[in-house]
Amino acid sequence: GAGVSQSPRYKVAKRGQDVALRCDPISGHVSLFWYQQALGQGPEFLTYFQNEAQLDKSGLPSDRFFAERPEGSVSTLKIQRTQQEDSAVYLCASSPWGGEQPQHFGDGTRLSIL
Amino acid sequence: AQRVTQPEKLLSVFKGAPVELKCNYSYSGSPELFWYVQYSRQRLQLLLRHISRESIKGFTADLNKGETSFHLKKPFAQEEDSAMYYCALIPAGGTSYGKLTFGQGTILTVHP
Repeated sequence: GAGVSQSPRYKVAKRGQDVALRCDPISGHVSLFWYQQALGQGPEFLTYFQNEAQLDKSGLPSDRFFAERPEGSVSTLKIQRTQQEDSAVYLCASSPWGGEQPQHFGDGTRLSIL
Repeated sequence: AQRVTQPEKLLSVFKGAPVELKCNYSYSGSPELFWYVQYSRQRLQLLLRHISRESIKGFTADLNKGETSFHLKKPFAQEEDSAMYYCALIPAGGTSYGKLTFGQGTILTVHP
């Protein structure tokens, strides 16, 4: 595709439900990042993949958050037993091979927990 | 750990006036610095980066290591510059894989 694609664009869930957010990076991009952006804040790093390997998950807020990229392309961010504080925009970004390469962002998924 | 601070949440100027969006960082090494912009209803996109030393849409940014700043400047603001601007940092070095640390952002409004 022409850019990073994320789905769904909007997700509303009740507290306690599980959600799954999808990211399709630019074809061929080795590096994939997930960020969380709370209202009025800048994006904050969640986790990083190099191909299928999750090399850094230091930003995941709790063990309810889980991310995978099994074939080194599409990635899924899963949040179990959602809480209200999980409400945020979740951004996915990819870059050709990481390092200081500029990252290309998707439109994000706006998650609202009721 | 690194930190990026954008002291102004909101910045308003009139068309044709100079604009400066402030960014200060704290990092013990030599970082790579970026400005990202998000126009209304568009995705976050790279505006410029320190290493390329180029001017994009009339904007420039100079890295001042002594003051640990990377302020974004434009001599004559245009209405289409109205957007959210984020300053961001990547720790440079062989072990870096590009994790961005963002500031909180500055909303720039350029009035006609």
